[in-house]
Amino acid sequence: DQQVKQNSPSLSVQEGRISILNCDYTNSMFDYFLWYKKYPAEGPTFLISISSIKDKNEDGRFTVFLNKSAKHLSLHIVPSQPGDSAVYFCAARLNSGGSNYKLTFGKGTLLTVNP
Amino acid sequence: GAGVSQTPSNKVTEKGKYVELRCDPISGHTALYWYRQSLGQGPEFLIYFQGTGAADDSGLPNDRFFAVRPEGSVSTLKIQRTERGDSAVYLCASSRQGALSTDTQYFGPGTRLTVL
Repeated sequence: DQQVKQNSPSLSVQEGRISILNCDYTNSMFDYFLWYKKYPAEGPTFLISISSIKDKNEDGRFTVFLNKSAKHLSLHIVPSQPGDSAVYFCAARLNSGGSNYKLTFGKGTLLTVNP
Repeated sequence: GAGVSQTPSNKVTEKGKYVELRCDPISGHTALYWYRQSLGQGPEFLIYFQGTGAADDSGLPNDRFFAVRPEGSVSTLKIQRTERGDSAVYLCASSRQGALSTDTQYFGPGTRLTVL
C-alpha cells in the first residue's frame, strides 16, 4: 500500500506560469516532508522540506504547503522555468526516534515546462 | 566538495550471477542509506548504516541481498544469485548524522542494474 501518493504522473505548464505538484499521504505519524527533484541519469536532489508543525515553507521560487487535516501537501513553483523540467518526488519521514531516517517516497510527477 | 558517487553507473549481468555495487558517501557523513528504484516507482528504502553498523536492514527484500560498510565510509551492496526482478536503479545516499529527522539525505547518481 502506497503511504505517499502522487496521483498525477505528469504535468505540463508554460514558462512563467505557476506549477503546482500535489502529494497525499495516509500515515498520520509522518511529521516531516520533503520534495526532491530528479533529472535523468542523476540522483534525486533535495529541494525543500516542511515540518508538520508548519503549514508553509518558502525558498525562492519554491513554496511547500502542508494541510495536516487533509494529509495533503503541495509544491508551488513560481515562475516556472524550462530548467525546472524534471521528475519531482514527494517524500515523508516518520515521527519515530527509531526510524525517523527512513524516507518513504511517492512515485513522482514528471514536470515539463514549455518555453 | 564531492558529492555521493556510485560505481558502476551501469551493470548488466546474467540471472544467477553475483554483483557488487559500490557507494562513496560525502566525506564526514556518518549515515549511509541504500534505496532501490524500480521502473515507474519512487525510491524504496533498503538499509541504513550508522558508522560501520547496519542500524536497520528491514528493507532488504531477502537474504540474497547484503551490504557492508567496514570502515564507516565506503559501502558495498552485494546481491547473490541475481534474478530478473532485481533489475532496478540502486541509489545510495548519505547524511551527516541520520538520527535527526531534519538531516538531509544527499543522493548519488545510482547504479542501473539489468539482470538478463
